Amino acid sequence: DIVMTQSPLSLPVTPGEPASISCRSSQSLLHNNGYNYLDWFLQKPGQSPLLLIYLGSNRASGVPDRFSGSGSGTDFTLKISRVEAEDVGVYYCMQTLQTFTFGPGTKVDIK
Amino acid sequence: QVLLHESGPGLVKPSETLSLTCTVSGGSISSYYWSWIRQPPGKGLEYIGYMYYSGSTNYNPSLKSRVTISIDTSKNQFSLKLRSVTAADTAVYYCARGDPEAAALDYWGQGTLVTVSS
Repeated sequence: DIVMTQSPLSLPVTPGEPASISCRSSQSLLHNNGYNYLDWFLQKPGQSPLLLIYLGSNRASGVPDRFSGSGSGTDFTLKISRVEAEDVGVYYCMQTLQTFTFGPGTKVDIK
Repeated sequence: QVLLHESGPGLVKPSETLSLTCTVSGGSISSYYWSWIRQPPGKGLEYIGYMYYSGSTNYNPSLKSRVTISIDTSKNQFSLKLRSVTAADTAVYYCARGDPEAAALDYWGQGTLVTVSS
């Protein structure tokens, strides 16, 4: 199994400031088609997870452009350029290269 | 707008079978893969498995011996069966659509809590 780790596990943020979450995989997620099979989700309190980023760096439909994904191989980053109050929740990375596995989640809240 | 809705018993006895159905509206069940994910109370997300519309399946190895996912294209539904449940299977169960081109779960149901208890 591919094991996913995230850091930090808790991230207090200030509205208007940038924020960044790291995700690492135990094996490379780079497929021979050139895509990284890594997705990012946000689960707001009391809601279902929402797809933010797919294939490492592609924003899902309707996702604000303050969210961006980067990285390749085993190291990935989700960045929020300017945090808004509505961005609080738990962020998960997930690999889809092999049998899917999620990271443990990063809880983002307002300082 | 694609909508997914989970339905099924909210309480299952230990050693019995948990059965859930996900009804898909606003889109066809063809050309995608259909997944189940669960989340124990206060914990993170755990992938259970998926079935591609063509019939191929993929299951979490830790659950594979107890899980069956099936699709009923005539009803635009897919189902989860988890056998021999214990209290550790208590969780919110989500169904989700997988887009094979994006390799991502792009639409999710609202989730349903299933408690395993006698």
